[in-house]
Amino acid sequence: DTGVSQDPRHKITKRGQNVTFRCDPISEHNRLYWYRQTLGQGPEFLTYFQNEAQLEKSRLLSDRFSAERPKGSFSTLEIQRTEQGDSAMYLCASSLPYMNNEQFFGPGTRLTVL
Amino acid sequence: AQKITQTQPGMFVQEKEAVTLDCTYDTSDPSYGLFWYKQPSSGEMIFLIYQGSYDQQNATEGRYSLNFQKARKSANLVISASQLGDSAMYFCAMRENTGNQFYFGTGTSLTVIP
Repeated sequence: DTGVSQDPRHKITKRGQNVTFRCDPISEHNRLYWYRQTLGQGPEFLTYFQNEAQLEKSRLLSDRFSAERPKGSFSTLEIQRTEQGDSAMYLCASSLPYMNNEQFFGPGTRLTVL
Repeated sequence: AQKITQTQPGMFVQEKEAVTLDCTYDTSDPSYGLFWYKQPSSGEMIFLIYQGSYDQQNATEGRYSLNFQKARKSANLVISASQLGDSAMYFCAMRENTGNQFYFGTGTSLTVIP
């Protein structure tokens, strides 16, 4: 296993378009997280899955954002009707479920909304 | 209130010297974990070190050690014998036993001077 992968690495879109990102976690990790990171800031939590169940979603996440993890393996994050404020790095991370288990991060998808 | 506070936006250290990066946290959960991550300019998040709230000893991993002062709610990262490759953003993070999120600080930018 080569780690967490994300696709695409870069996405440029026009305002109002929908975009979808994919994350493939480390295979034995049942926890999967999505974060957003803007320049000069730390990762901001968006949502969390344990297996296929979405257990937590940030109150900061608007209804335009939706995430799925249909078979408890890969996950997708969709942003509908993109806005310029959505421009950011979107990070995916996975981990085992125990307190001392660190998160392993993917390389991120950089979204630019024109 | 911020869960994780990193008060040093930027730090400079001479090569081969030691440097301490500050982190304070806020939680009422008696069980929690503290993590430090490194983010080079390439963007990937790299796990460095973990400290559990019930751990009696400060964590160490090679040149990294964590100065854990539970009563003060601080978890400072100490990097010994700094190397040029240590230049990066450093993020402190916390995971509470009662929740699923990882909370990240705003980061400290470390520059190692030759």
